Amino acid sequence: GEDVEQSLFLSVREGDSSVINCTYTDSSSTYLYWYKQEPGAGLQLLTYIFSNMDMKQDQRLTVLLNKKDKHLSLRIADTQTGDSAIYFCAETNRLASNTGKLIFGQGTTLQVKP
Amino acid sequence: DGGITQSPKYLFRKEGQNVTLSCEQNLNHDAMYWYRQDPGQGLRLIYYSQIVNDFQKGDIAEGYSVSREKKESFPLTVTSAQKNPTAFYLCASSIDSTSGGPRTDTQYFGPGTRLTVL
Repeated sequence: GEDVEQSLFLSVREGDSSVINCTYTDSSSTYLYWYKQEPGAGLQLLTYIFSNMDMKQDQRLTVLLNKKDKHLSLRIADTQTGDSAIYFCAETNRLASNTGKLIFGQGTTLQVKP
Repeated sequence: DGGITQSPKYLFRKEGQNVTLSCEQNLNHDAMYWYRQDPGQGLRLIYYSQIVNDFQKGDIAEGYSVSREKKESFPLTVTSAQKNPTAFYLCASSIDSTSGGPRTDTQYFGPGTRLTVL
C-alpha cells in the first residue's frame, strides 16, 4: 500500500531556516499536505500542493515537490519558537480510492532553540 | 464559529468498559473521519463516513464502532474488544464530493480526546 516517510526530529536555532522532508511511494498522488500539531492539540492545515506543481510559497513557508523522486519538503524561513511542533506530511489519491482519505507520515518534531 | 468539536478532552476508562467519544461539526461537511494517534507514530484511520447512514472501516477498525445518523455528528465507541485503547483520538471532516480537489478533500481536525485506560 501507499507509504509516507518522514524523519522524526529536527532541531534548529531561532532565526534559522528549517527544512522538513517527506518521501512517499504513491506515484499517482493528487494532493500533498503539510499539517502542524502543537502539544495536546489537533492538526492545523498549513498548506497543500497539487502534484503537477513544483513549488508553492506562502509567507514564511515554501513547499518543494520533486515528483520524479517522490520527495516533498517544507521550508520555514526565520524559524520562531512558536514554530516548535510536530509537522505531518500527508498525501491523497482520489483517483485510486474515490475518497478523500489521507495517508500520513509519522510526523517530524521540530525543536526551535532560542 | 464554524468548526469541529470533540468531547470530552480527557477520558478515563476502566478495563472492560465501552466508552463513546463525541465529534460534532457545523461546517456542513459530508465526510467525517476518526484517527488514532500513538506517540512517535502518524495518524491511523479507524473509520470514515462520506454520507449520512454510511461508513467504512479504515486501517485499524477492530475494537471500534461508529454511527452516522446525522450529518453533523460521528461518534466513536471504543469497545472492550480493543486491546490497547490508550491513545489520542482525532476527528476530522472534509467537504468531500465526487469531483475531488483540495477544496473538497482537505481535512479539518478537532482538538482531540485523550483516552486513558486505568
